[in-house]
Amino acid sequence: GAGVSQSPSNKVTEKGKDVELRCDPISGHTALYWYRQRLGQGLEFLIYFQGNSAPDKSGLPSDRFSAERTGESVSTLTIQRTQQEDSAVYLCASSLASGRNEQYFGPGTRLTVT
Amino acid sequence: GENVEQHPSTLSVQEGDSAVIKCTYSDSASNYFPWYKQELGKRPQLIIDIRSNVGEKKDQRIAVTLNKTAKHFSLHITETQPEDSAVYFCAGGGNQFYFGTGTSLTVIP
Repeated sequence: GAGVSQSPSNKVTEKGKDVELRCDPISGHTALYWYRQRLGQGLEFLIYFQGNSAPDKSGLPSDRFSAERTGESVSTLTIQRTQQEDSAVYLCASSLASGRNEQYFGPGTRLTVT
Repeated sequence: GENVEQHPSTLSVQEGDSAVIKCTYSDSASNYFPWYKQELGKRPQLIIDIRSNVGEKKDQRIAVTLNKTAKHFSLHITETQPEDSAVYFCAGGGNQFYFGTGTSLTVIP
């Protein structure tokens, strides 16, 4: 079956522009996570959605970052007024339910801010 | 929130030897500890996980141990092969997960 998909795969943007990154989770997965991975670094938790509950935004690094999810499907991560330090791979993952379940990762979006 | 620390950051072993990666966590409420393997340019993939009601789990050449009292867990890879070369991440948590900083494992043929 289809796995987690993300688009675009690569995004180059100028400093100060806004970007939107998209994640399509596996059908039926109620939990969705966004992570940031800088080059050669670990995965930094950003935000977590579980069903219709309020999202856990505790990992968002600044108010320039926001994310939405439509029901239990598509999610978009928006970065406003991008900065060079935002350059990273943004990974999305979904799982059947929150906690104690395998997270399936998408291929990521490589964001480069020039 | 949870804080997961991982050691070592790099590890080189001869093919056939064992590799051990260790992680510690801070939140005693964490109850799920997955390990992910990430090959260069690819997405992380789960290789093994352990829940807090279990002390050890094994899957062929891979095993994970968990010490809840000491708040640490370890990944053991036996009879390493060149294809085991990758970055390995531990994670801990409950609803959301906090990842370690990764261990770059190189298996030398």
